[in-house]
Amino acid sequence: DSGVTQTPKHLITATGQRVTLRCSPRSGDLSVYWYQQSLDQGLQFLIQYYNGEERAKGNILERFSAQQFPDLHSELNLSSLELGDSALYFCASSVSLERGVTDTQYFGPGTRLTVL
Amino acid sequence: DAKTTQPNSMESNEEEPVHLPCNHSTISGTDYIHWYRQLPSQGPEYVIHGLTSNVNNRMASLAIAEDRKSSTLILHRATLRDAAVYYCIRGSNYQLIWGAGTKLIIKP
Repeated sequence: DSGVTQTPKHLITATGQRVTLRCSPRSGDLSVYWYQQSLDQGLQFLIQYYNGEERAKGNILERFSAQQFPDLHSELNLSSLELGDSALYFCASSVSLERGVTDTQYFGPGTRLTVL
Repeated sequence: DAKTTQPNSMESNEEEPVHLPCNHSTISGTDYIHWYRQLPSQGPEYVIHGLTSNVNNRMASLAIAEDRKSSTLILHRATLRDAAVYYCIRGSNYQLIWGAGTKLIIKP
């Protein structure tokens, strides 16, 4: 158990809908990362938040957005869903050390999103 | 951003050492090399990371070439529980840039 929790575990929805995925980081971790993993693919970095502020952005679609709240939990919002958005979405957290050092990331169990 | 290059899959016998190669010929001088693994139906987990020197921890060893264009993850005595996809990752500032990984198959 990494200490990172994600809810829900599974989500099935229809095209055009909007969903929210939730992540609670490990106690004491200030950074949260979101990743997308399509079937049999590696992970695609989406976005990172540090202590409530966006720090880095990867290949995140405009239909997707995220935020980190004062209690450090984070939500990933996916809207106007398409079939191709079906994937595993992972959240990871890290302590986030000084600039220039890449932290070890601890991953949650993921949310499996199926868009029908 | 240039990703790393790894074999798609490798097989090894149980209780034997495993050497997982990775090429990262375009890595910059300040990028770390990270290895994570993903067991079936789980999120990735950290294995090891390094910059220039070889590194050891309780899970594995990381051997980094002197020119830093390649590295090798060494599992000293593989068990069936080590069957997973192993990712060699370039760590650039705050981001981990993931490749496709190597699926490690352990034969009993």
